[in-house]
Amino acid sequence: GIQVEQSPPDLILQEGANSTLRCNFSDSVNNLQWFHQNPWGQLINLFYIPSGTKQNGRLSATTVATERYSLLYISSSQTTDSGVYFCAVEKLGGNKLVFGAGTILRVKS
Amino acid sequence: DADVTQTPRNRITKTGKRIMLECSQTKGHDRMYWYRQDPGLGLRLIYYSFDVKDINKGEISDGYSVSRQAQAKFSLSLESAIPNQTALYFCATSENGIIGTGELFFGEGSRLTVL
Repeated sequence: GIQVEQSPPDLILQEGANSTLRCNFSDSVNNLQWFHQNPWGQLINLFYIPSGTKQNGRLSATTVATERYSLLYISSSQTTDSGVYFCAVEKLGGNKLVFGAGTILRVKS
Repeated sequence: DADVTQTPRNRITKTGKRIMLECSQTKGHDRMYWYRQDPGLGLRLIYYSFDVKDINKGEISDGYSVSRQAQAKFSLSLESAIPNQTALYFCATSENGIIGTGELFFGEGSRLTVL
């Protein structure tokens, strides 16, 4: 099956700093999503982005499907950004999402 | 109210007991999923359903069963719970994408502890 690798596994930031999270995948995809799991366990949709670039406030994401990676940018980080960020992909022609292991982000005030 | 609702949100049970986790959705989506999350791991797919008559095993279906009672309801059962089924369980829904799965939406999770 398709492999999904997220990096870094852990990241500690000072409030106000910027960061880039990466998701590499091993095959062509027709779906890619980014999720944030907050400290209470809720999974929140950030982006549905099989290709291209999207922005939502301080967050933006870019997927370069031909090179099999996606990046999630967090600017001016806040303590509420803490949690785990997951990338999930669906192989081209597939019918279910496969999740990466996640990046644990801690933002310190 | 949440679009995808899971009950119970927390449950402690004993080894050998039968437990059911329920999921209902108001999004009108055809596709529903059950995932399991263990500490330090991503989410793993247990079962998924594309409509009431279409149910499929995911990567870790052993020890679980499901029932799709209606388009809006999808329940997960552990017939005889064991301690290594202690985990956080998520229900999710999606509409049919143009190609494959559309955007996935999660419920709030059900934390299950098996003693």
